[in-house]
Amino acid sequence: QVQLQQWGAGLLKPSETLSLTCGVYGGSFSGYYWSWIRRPPGKGLQWIGKITHTGSTNYNPSLKSRVTISVDTSKNQFSLKLTSVTAADTAVYYCARGAGIFGELISRWGQGTLVTVSS
Amino acid sequence: DIVMTQTPLSSPVTLGQPASISCRSSQSLVHSDGNTYLSWLQQRPGQPPRLLIYKISNRFSGVPDRFSGSGAGTDFTLKISRVDAEDVGIYYCMQATQFPWTFGQGTKVEIK
Repeated sequence: QVQLQQWGAGLLKPSETLSLTCGVYGGSFSGYYWSWIRRPPGKGLQWIGKITHTGSTNYNPSLKSRVTISVDTSKNQFSLKLTSVTAADTAVYYCARGAGIFGELISRWGQGTLVTVSS
Repeated sequence: DIVMTQTPLSSPVTLGQPASISCRSSQSLVHSDGNTYLSWLQQRPGQPPRLLIYKISNRFSGVPDRFSGSGAGTDFTLKISRVDAEDVGIYYCMQATQFPWTFGQGTKVEIK
């Protein structure tokens, strides 16, 4: 059964770059959509963006100028970079796999990484 | 962006009793392909979210049949026919009809 395992720095200072990677184990990488979603403390979920195995991306316009999602098919991994972070970017970040026509069936999730932005 | 509004935000329920969560979107979720991409997810404490329902009323694999979804256009409902202790958590509706995908604020289901 496919598992998503994510890793990256959990404590950042304002203006630094958030960098997270998600590894996909035990399942196919092609044919799915790979998303990043976050949950700020005390708030609801926010979709950040997604990528296909071919590298086609869609981003949330509210973050688009600062976000890059990339894929490394040789390693079955995809990554998130978010530049110029502020306290507002403090959240639990999840990687996830989506199926369906647009990847909207988000049915496999990573364990989540708490990223705290603090000076 | 499409705004998703859930009510109630908190739902204390008695074990074995039904629960219902409403989700309203700021515009129709009917896609140009005729489908409505409205999903429901459950997030138990300390766990990542879990897909329960997709395209309004389709239960995802492994989801108990006490969960059901209904609705159309801009108004949608998730029902739990008999709440079990393992149903405690936060429930989100999510639309994937239009970018950016957006979620409701979440409804916390807890046992009385």
